[in-house]
Amino acid sequence: NAGVTQTPKFRILKIGQSMTLQCTQDMNHNYMYWYRQDPGMGLKLIYYSVGAGITDKGEVPNGYNVSRSTTEDFPLRLELAAPSQTSVYFCASIEGGIGYTFGSGTRLTVV
Amino acid sequence: DAKTTQPNSMESNEEEPVHLPCNHSTISGTDYIHWYRQLPSQGPEYVIHGLTSNVNNRMASLAIAEDRKSSTLILHRATLRDAAVYYCILRLSGTYKYIFGTGTRLKVLA
Repeated sequence: NAGVTQTPKFRILKIGQSMTLQCTQDMNHNYMYWYRQDPGMGLKLIYYSVGAGITDKGEVPNGYNVSRSTTEDFPLRLELAAPSQTSVYFCASIEGGIGYTFGSGTRLTVV
Repeated sequence: DAKTTQPNSMESNEEEPVHLPCNHSTISGTDYIHWYRQLPSQGPEYVIHGLTSNVNNRMASLAIAEDRKSSTLILHRATLRDAAVYYCILRLSGTYKYIFGTGTRLKVLA
């Protein structure tokens, strides 16, 4: 089925470890986004991309890195994980001003 | 800073209409108004969007003020499955950033 696929669904990291959250979409959307949602809170924009090779910072980019080598993939890299990065991470894509398609999320716990 | 302002929570009785307000006083002429909802333990899902005219779809209606500084999402007959957090968002002028506000938590009473 067409959509946004995120992996893994769950992950526990130790403080200082690194990991990459994967996001892939098969709708040929140019615009892709990473959000985080802390418990009981709204979504905060981490990074976004308007096309392959182009990325930009959102509201809360510190501690994260992204790349966009293809239209389909938009991985989010966490370096030196900290407890403050415990959150649910959502990837989304959009095209033509119509609504976002969100992935199902990655629940990350840093201990 | 969030560009939209919504009440933190609202309640509605089942099968009654619900009007969810959103203020966006700094909206620019080309900004679309989007509404999303997030059911418990799920990612947000698209509800409706509009620019100037009122919009209807199978899920809801969107009423946009003439000056575009506010909008209202209308659920015509609330059901228990409509209990969710509803977000009103704008795309920031001159960018492709979509910034979510804090949303309105809708509680539907049986």
